[in-house]
Amino acid sequence: SQTIHQWPATLVQPVGSPLSLECTVEGTSNPNLYWYRQAAGRGLQLLFYSVGIGQISSEVPQNLSASRPQDRQFILSSKKLLLSDSGFYLCAWSKIGSRNEQYFGPGTRLTVT
Amino acid sequence: AQSVTQLGSHVSVSEGALVLLRCNYSSSVPPYLFWYVQYPNQGLQLLLKYTTGATLVKGINGFEAEFKKSETSFHLTKPSAHMSDAAEYFCAVRGGNTDKLIFGTGTRLQVFP
Repeated sequence: SQTIHQWPATLVQPVGSPLSLECTVEGTSNPNLYWYRQAAGRGLQLLFYSVGIGQISSEVPQNLSASRPQDRQFILSSKKLLLSDSGFYLCAWSKIGSRNEQYFGPGTRLTVT
Repeated sequence: AQSVTQLGSHVSVSEGALVLLRCNYSSSVPPYLFWYVQYPNQGLQLLLKYTTGATLVKGINGFEAEFKKSETSFHLTKPSAHMSDAAEYFCAVRGGNTDKLIFGTGTRLQVFP
């Protein structure tokens, strides 16, 4: 069966510090991968979308970047965090094809102080 | 363009009462529709989905949804609410001819004893 991991689970970082969140998927190959942010009291905002190694689509201009160094690894990064980067970050994967649902990881709670 | 509207950011019901969470969509392509549930500080879990075929879709935990093309709706129902149903619920539609999902802003369900 497939599983998706995210770490860390929680993170408190000062403004201006770097960020690296990691997501890995097991039990499948060549998945689509997604990074979402969920701000307090708001819905899900798609940040990045990847259909393969090194292929990243950015959905919104922002202070963040994403990379996919391996087929089942997706990394979210920032060089300098802003207060507005606080939120709940969710990684998801899906099989290729628009009929397929996305499977979500447990999330990372980021607080920028 | 694709979009999802969830009517009512908060819904409260008594235990044992009918649950009805509303979702209307807009889509320029045949819609694929999804309902997810999110418990506090967790990722999203798929409840059910509609792609083609039978318009009444049954999901996990006793939930079901009916696709009504004429009303552009995909409302989620459960005949009898349980305390464990208290969570946030998200409706989503596929993002055009892509594998992306467009999420609604969510409905928080409270269940009172």
